[in-house]
Amino acid sequence: GQQVMQIPQYQHVQEGEDFTTYCNSSTTLSNIQWYKQRPGGHPVFLIQLVKSGEVKKQKRLTFQFGEAKKNSSLHITATQTTDVGTYFCAGLSLHSVTGGGNKLTFGTGTQLKVEL
Amino acid sequence: KAGVTQTPRYLIKTRGQQVTLSCSPISGHRSVSWYQQTPGQGLQFLFEYFSETQRNKGNFPGRFSGRQFSNSRSEMNVSTLELGDSALYLCASSLSTLYEQYFGPGTRLTVT
Repeated sequence: GQQVMQIPQYQHVQEGEDFTTYCNSSTTLSNIQWYKQRPGGHPVFLIQLVKSGEVKKQKRLTFQFGEAKKNSSLHITATQTTDVGTYFCAGLSLHSVTGGGNKLTFGTGTQLKVEL
Repeated sequence: KAGVTQTPRYLIKTRGQQVTLSCSPISGHRSVSWYQQTPGQGLQFLFEYFSETQRNKGNFPGRFSGRQFSNSRSEMNVSTLELGDSALYLCASSLSTLYEQYFGPGTRLTVT
């Protein structure tokens, strides 16, 4: 079945350093979504990328969708303590690719810790 | 707009029992999806309902079922509970099927 791998699993950074998490799918995706989950909280939608090669920015966050629509990345510039949490990617595969119903598969997440 | 609400927030059940969880989506959202989150397996998709019909389904046994009502509210039922069913169950709503998921706070289920 469809798999979405995410690396690294954990990342500790000093405040002000940059951070990147990578997401790779075993199948071509219709779109990729990114979520952030704070400790003890629930996932919060950040962004959705649909087009091949798409790049979107939200303040210090930059999201990219690969040309082949099988990989994506999230880059945070100059991390702050408010960035602490687990970042998940989620890939949507359509019925035509999976052979079954549409599938939204979440990556394993990257847990980010920011130290002062 | 009010966010996604889930009830109850916490639940303790015994092995073999059944449980029903409830989810009220954001007003106007017709798609409701359910997820199971555990430390070992991460976030796993259970199923999605759109306009009262199950549109998509993950790889969970038939003990996990759901339904959606005409007002888009959804319920999830787990029968014959097992210890491994202990998890955070999250509901998410969206305008369109499986796009931009807006999650509720979750129901923490503990099976003893």
